[in-house]
Amino acid sequence: QLLLQESGPGLVKPSETLSLTCTVSGGSIGSSTYYWGWIRQPPGKGLEWIGSIHFTGGTYYTYYNPSLKSRVTISVDTSKNQVSLKLDSVAAADTAVYFCARHAGVVAGFNFDNWGQGTLVTVSS
Amino acid sequence: QSALTQPPSASGSPGQSVTFSCTGTSSDVGTYNYVSWYQRHPGKAPKLIIYEVSKRPSGVPGRFSGSKSGSTASLTVSGLQAEDEADYSCSSYAGNNLVVFGGGTKLTVL
Repeated sequence: QLLLQESGPGLVKPSETLSLTCTVSGGSIGSSTYYWGWIRQPPGKGLEWIGSIHFTGGTYYTYYNPSLKSRVTISVDTSKNQVSLKLDSVAAADTAVYFCARHAGVVAGFNFDNWGQGTLVTVSS
Repeated sequence: QSALTQPPSASGSPGQSVTFSCTGTSSDVGTYNYVSWYQRHPGKAPKLIIYEVSKRPSGVPGRFSGSKSGSTASLTVSGLQAEDEADYSCSSYAGNNLVVFGGGTKLTVL
């Protein structure tokens, strides 16, 4: 059974960097079949895709939401089977529940079939 | 890349059917048959209930069905049950390994 678990600080100060980790168990982030993504949901608002990472041809490739691209970095630690998210220069508008999720690639519909429980990150001084 | 448009709320009585819309553009819903729908109960992780416009993952009841016309996708829940009360969000592939979500619709079962 695939399990994804987000972890990281629940409170981040404005202008600092938000850092979260997604630990994957029951599956390998090195599988070329799937992508590993981050999605967030601000209070009272809809889901917003942040970005994804995918391993293929011996290389990890990243894809980011254009609106967040300048501030986002997604990376992996293959030794720990973890996917990490860094979001720079955060502001109150970045307060949200952050989810990690597995999704299919383009040829399989790009749907998110396994999600973590999510972690609330509040940006406040 | 703009968010897909969903009505903020919908409601229905047990046993009735309700349909939600998800409107995109020719850059996403209108071009790709890669629309997914997610159900999320408060405090829980989202659950995939429809993918590729109208396909249901194993274990999802047949009461949930999806369709698409032009740049608008729809999710229909038939035979409403109390447990269907949740938030429903759509997503669409938008090309170049990008995906866009909708704002979500909160379903209330009266």
